[in-house]
Amino acid sequence: EPEVTQTPSHQVTQMGQEVILRCVPISNHLYFYWYRQILGQKVEFLVSFYNNEISEKSEIFDDQFSVERPDGSNFTLKIRSTKLEDSAMYFCASEGGLSSYEQYFGPGTRLTVT
Amino acid sequence: SQQGEEDPQALSIQEGENATMNCSYKTSINNLQWYRQNSGRGLVHLILIRSNEREKHSGRLRVTLDTSKKSSSLLITASRAADTASYFCAPMDSNYQLIWGAGTKLIIKP
Repeated sequence: EPEVTQTPSHQVTQMGQEVILRCVPISNHLYFYWYRQILGQKVEFLVSFYNNEISEKSEIFDDQFSVERPDGSNFTLKIRSTKLEDSAMYFCASEGGLSSYEQYFGPGTRLTVT
Repeated sequence: SQQGEEDPQALSIQEGENATMNCSYKTSINNLQWYRQNSGRGLVHLILIRSNEREKHSGRLRVTLDTSKKSSSLLITASRAADTASYFCAPMDSNYQLIWGAGTKLIIKP
C-alpha cells in the first residue's frame, strides 16, 4: 500500500540554524500539507500546497517557514532560523483530491532545537 | 475556537468492552474525520463521514454525525489491546481545512 514517507525521523539542531524537513507524498496525490505537534499538545496546521503553490497557511507559518516541491516528488519544509519553540513533531500529509478529502500522514520528523 | 473538542480526554476500559468517544465542533463542515495516533507516531486515518451522512461503519468502528448538534461519536466495539492510542476527531471546514482537537487517550487494559 502506498504511504507517505518523511526524513529524517529525528533532527537535532542548534537555535538559529536552518533545517529542511523532507517528505515524499503518495505519488498520485494532489494536495500536500505540513502540520506540527508540540509534545503532548494538539495537532496544528501549518500550510497546504496545491498546484505548486501555497493554498492556505496558518499564523504559525511566518516568514521563517517555506515550502517547496522541487522535483515533482519531494515536498520540503524549511525553517530558516530555528527557535527553541520550533521543537515539535512535524507531519507531512497528502490527499488525493477529486473530493476524496482523506489525508494520509507520514510518520513524522521529531525536531529538537537546542 | 473552531477546533473539534473530544470527550472524554482519557478513557480506560477492559479488553472486549466497547469504547465510545465524542466530539463537538463549532463551524459548519464539509465532512468529519477520525484519526488514530499511537504514542509518538504518525496519524492514521480511520474513517470519514460526510455532512449529509448520519452513520458510517468500518469494521469494528461506527461513527455517527449529528450536524444539528454539531457533534460526532466514534464507537469501537470489542476493543483490543492494540486499540490503545489517542483518537482525534477532525472536522473539515468549508475551506477544506481539518480542525484538530486535543484527542481522547484510550487505554485498553488486558
